Amino acid sequence: KQEVTQIPAALSVPEGENLVLNCSFTDSAIYNLQWFRQDPGKGLTSLLLIQSSQREQTSGRLNASLDKSSGRSTLYIAASQPGDSATYLCAANSGGTSYGKLTFGQGTILTVHP
Amino acid sequence: DAGITQSPRHKVTETGTPVTLRCHQTENHRYMYWYRQDPGHGLRLIHYSYGVKDTDKGEVSDGYSVSRSKTEDFLLTLESATSSQTSVYFCAISVAQGWYEQYFGPGTRLTVT
Repeated sequence: KQEVTQIPAALSVPEGENLVLNCSFTDSAIYNLQWFRQDPGKGLTSLLLIQSSQREQTSGRLNASLDKSSGRSTLYIAASQPGDSATYLCAANSGGTSYGKLTFGQGTILTVHP
Repeated sequence: DAGITQSPRHKVTETGTPVTLRCHQTENHRYMYWYRQDPGHGLRLIHYSYGVKDTDKGEVSDGYSVSRSKTEDFLLTLESATSSQTSVYFCAISVAQGWYEQYFGPGTRLTVT
């Protein structure tokens, strides 16, 4: 059974800092890994998806990496802003089918203060 | 937002009553999912569908049933609601052309008293 862990559970940083969020998964047989953002009381917004054959994916100030062999993914946020404050979730798509079933981590609560 | 809507957005119901939540999508995606989100447990898959009338169980399917009679609608039914089913329920779709990236609806907050 796939298990996904995110460290740290919470992170508070000053504006402008570069930061890294960590995600680990127990079963390396994944189809892809997806990072989401969730604002309080809202739904999930997809940030980045990394295919199992890829090493990293970039979107603006966000960069996600994937190391299947070690069961790890990281989300790098450059030059953080107060608007980046949210909960960040990673989810592994496994289960043996490409349309797959996501297994989520518990999330990292990020606070960026001015 | 991948054209996903959920109804109702908020509902309070009593223990033992049946409840149906609706997920509607406008872009004819084949794959649809129901998740629940709870403090301490994160998001967990309840049921999913890979086509009209084709559904399967997820991790926490006990006490829930689903139906999909047309592509755009995926219904989640709690046959007899219990307090343990108080949660936020999210519907999602998967875009086959986009490496099966999943997009989520706005959620339904259900309280069972």
